[in-house]
Amino acid sequence: DARVTQTPRHKVTEMGQEVTMRCQPILGHNTVFWYRQTMMQGLELLAYFRNRAPLDDSGMPKDRFSAEMPDATLATLKIQPSEPRDSAVYFCASGLRPWTATNEKLFFGSGTQLSVL
Amino acid sequence: DAKTTQPPSMDCAEGRAANLPCNHSTISGNEYVYWYRQIHSQGPQYIIHGLKNNETNEMASLIITEDRKSSTLILPHATLRDTAVYYCIVSVEAAGNKLTFGGGTRVLVKP
Repeated sequence: DARVTQTPRHKVTEMGQEVTMRCQPILGHNTVFWYRQTMMQGLELLAYFRNRAPLDDSGMPKDRFSAEMPDATLATLKIQPSEPRDSAVYFCASGLRPWTATNEKLFFGSGTQLSVL
Repeated sequence: DAKTTQPPSMDCAEGRAANLPCNHSTISGNEYVYWYRQIHSQGPQYIIHGLKNNETNEMASLIITEDRKSSTLILPHATLRDTAVYYCIVSVEAAGNKLTFGGGTRVLVKP
């Protein structure tokens, strides 16, 4: 089965360090979303791309977070410098537009669990 | 996007139908109702979606009231593996499927 692949699955780092999370969307998908999940805030949309172009990153702290799609098979989310409050699970999801009755859904990866000490 | 209201938790007996309600009284005419679920430690998984008509697939059925202000997700024969958090979301397709997740309903299927 096609799936969204995220690496690493787990990351422990110290405050101030740079963290890079990677996502490989399903081949052929042209929309990519980054979500963050914490116990307190639940699932929050950070940013999303369509055809590799960023469409909305209003949910992302601009001073330390950056999201890019170097090519159609790779999306990255970078935090620099990381802070303890960034500890969360980060999910990537991909989808296909234009939507049809059969592809109107997002596929989520297994997430990157980030712990910033 | 319209806001949804779901009960925070519910229990269900294994083998029985699970009926998960969702209120979306401010839904717009062009907004779809989506259901996703999240099993512990996994990413959310699509279940079903609909606009006006009731829908059924291999996972579940979706019943949308005629005024579209509420819906019910039905898991016909709940199994232990259906224990998860279920999210009801309304979204306009044209928005690029930006899904805003609320708190969801934590469903515990008991033997």
